[in-house]
Amino acid sequence: SAVISQKPSRDICQRGTSLTIQCQVDSQVTMMFWYRQQPGQSLTLIATANQGSEATYESGFVIDKFPISRPNLTFSTLTVSNMSPEDSSIYLCSVEEIQTTKAFFGQGTRLTVV
Amino acid sequence: GNSVTQMEGPVTLSEEAFLTINCTYTATGYPSLFWYVQYPGEGLQLLLKATKADDKGSNKGFEATYRKETTSFHLEKGSVQVSDSAVYFCALRDNYGQNFVFGPGTRLSVLP
Repeated sequence: SAVISQKPSRDICQRGTSLTIQCQVDSQVTMMFWYRQQPGQSLTLIATANQGSEATYESGFVIDKFPISRPNLTFSTLTVSNMSPEDSSIYLCSVEEIQTTKAFFGQGTRLTVV
Repeated sequence: GNSVTQMEGPVTLSEEAFLTINCTYTATGYPSLFWYVQYPGEGLQLLLKATKADDKGSNKGFEATYRKETTSFHLEKGSVQVSDSAVYFCALRDNYGQNFVFGPGTRLSVLP
């Protein structure tokens, strides 16, 4: 099964700053997704990270706020820009294996904005 | 669009009690259905899944059956343990978008 390394695992950031979260997987995957889990709530899809092209964003999420990169089949980054306390959440990377089409989730990045 | 509804928590049970967490879905086509579990301080883990109607997913004593006629995927366990205390998410994944749609989660607390 795919092993996902998501970094950082947690961070406390000042409002107005930006944080980049990395997602590295140990095998080639077809799909990579970024989710947000706000405190006490379920997971919401932010965007699909597309290799070599712009990410596909869900309603309510925009590229200026959540720029995403995916330079190859095993790596993606999500940046949370110009942070405010409302951005305090857990951010999760999810991937789908090419061989099995199974989905896996990273451990998440717990972000607190003060 | 696709959606998942599951029973609101928190659910508090005594050890060895029977557990049911209801989940219903709305989707076009024939989605795959999942239960994920999130233990305190940990990431999401796949608990079980079913990919077509009448399939039963099972793992660690938990079971859920894909009921197309009632668009449901209720999670059951005959005898819960304290170690089952966690948040449980019902989710679906359609064959087009391949991303997940999650329910709101149900927090389960099992008391000794």
